Amino acid sequence: GQQLNQSPQSMFIQEGEDVSMNCTSSSIFNTWLWYKQDPGEGPVLLIALYKAGELTSNGRLTAQFGITRKDSFLNISASIPSDVGIYFCAGQNSGGSNYKLTFGKGTLLTVNP
Amino acid sequence: DADVTQTPRNRITKTGKRIMLECSQTKGHDRMYWYRQDPGLGLRLIYYSFDVKDINKGEISDGYSVSRQAQAKFSLSLESAIPNQTALYFCATGQTDTEAFFGQGTRLTVV
Repeated sequence: GQQLNQSPQSMFIQEGEDVSMNCTSSSIFNTWLWYKQDPGEGPVLLIALYKAGELTSNGRLTAQFGITRKDSFLNISASIPSDVGIYFCAGQNSGGSNYKLTFGKGTLLTVNP
Repeated sequence: DADVTQTPRNRITKTGKRIMLECSQTKGHDRMYWYRQDPGLGLRLIYYSFDVKDINKGEISDGYSVSRQAQAKFSLSLESAIPNQTALYFCATGQTDTEAFFGQGTRLTVV
């Protein structure tokens, strides 16, 4: 089945630093999604990418849909303590009864004030 | 009030017991999902339903069953719980292929 490799597994950074994390896949996806999970909560969608090469921003977050459709990255600029959490990438291929939103294993982000 | 509500939020149960986790939603979405989260393994799909009469197995359905009682309700059952089913369980809803709105999770411990 489809697998996503998300890296890094964890990051420890100082407040104000920029952060980058990425996902790669052995197969093509039509959609890439990035979620954030706060401690004790369910994941919440941050950014959705629908076209190869697409670059989308949401405040201090920027994500790109790789041109090969097999990868995506998420950047966080000028990190703040509330950025702490687990970030998940997810890839999806639309249509049919074989629906499956495949998640990466997550990147645990710790921000030191 | 949360749009996707899971009950209970925490549960400890003994090996061999039957347990049901419930999910209800007020978003009016047709699609509902059950995921399991384990440390270092991300989110894995257990079952999903595209409408009341539709039930589909996900990647790790063994040992689980589901019931879609209504558009707004989707329950997950463990017929005979075992310790390796200890995990954080999430229900999610969506209206399109790319939507997944998650509940707050149920932390299940099987002893």
